[in-house]
Amino acid sequence: KAGVTQTPRYLIKTRGQQVTLSCSPISGHRSVSWYQQTPGQGLQFLFEYFSETQRNKGNFPGRFSGRQFSNSRSEMNVSTLELGDSALYLCASSLQGVMNEKLFFGSGTQLSVL
Amino acid sequence: GESVGLHLPTLSVQEGDNSIINCAYSNSASDYFIWYKQESGKGPQFIIDIRSNMDKRQGQRVTVLLNKTVKHLSLQIAATQPGDSAVYFCAVSGGGADGLTFGKGTHLIIQP
Repeated sequence: KAGVTQTPRYLIKTRGQQVTLSCSPISGHRSVSWYQQTPGQGLQFLFEYFSETQRNKGNFPGRFSGRQFSNSRSEMNVSTLELGDSALYLCASSLQGVMNEKLFFGSGTQLSVL
Repeated sequence: GESVGLHLPTLSVQEGDNSIINCAYSNSASDYFIWYKQESGKGPQFIIDIRSNMDKRQGQRVTVLLNKTVKHLSLQIAATQPGDSAVYFCAVSGGGADGLTFGKGTHLIIQP
């Protein structure tokens, strides 16, 4: 069974631009969640999508948004990029959701904002 | 909301010794606890989980202990091997809409 796939692996953007990251979950998984990982703040939960609906949301500004398609693939968008958005963005999938079962993580997208 | 504290950012152990990594959480309503391991250049990988109706759970060479009275969680790794070298995160779910809260991680270093 293929694992969680995230594309692209690396991205370099400049301040003010926007970026879209993609995540393909494990086949059959309906929950996709997104995380930001930085050396200073560690792993922080962004949001979770389940059956195309946002179910949970972390404490991030509205510049961070996402969506999920009918095939469970998910995209995350960050608008008006700031230097502080430089981070590793991870997505994870699971059968039912983040609250009570293990997650399967992708290898992440490393975003650098210059 | 939930907060998860880190006890040690780095833990160095001798190969073959047992390792203990700790986490503290703040929300007494939290009901699901999980440990992940992250190797360099990879995403976190599930190790073991425990629910609030249990105090202890064992896997292969790993044991998770949950003390709800003091809101403390620990991961024990028996007979630590070089392949155990990684950053270990605990994560806590409180059942609310906040999702999952992670600790900052402990970097486990194995000395030969």
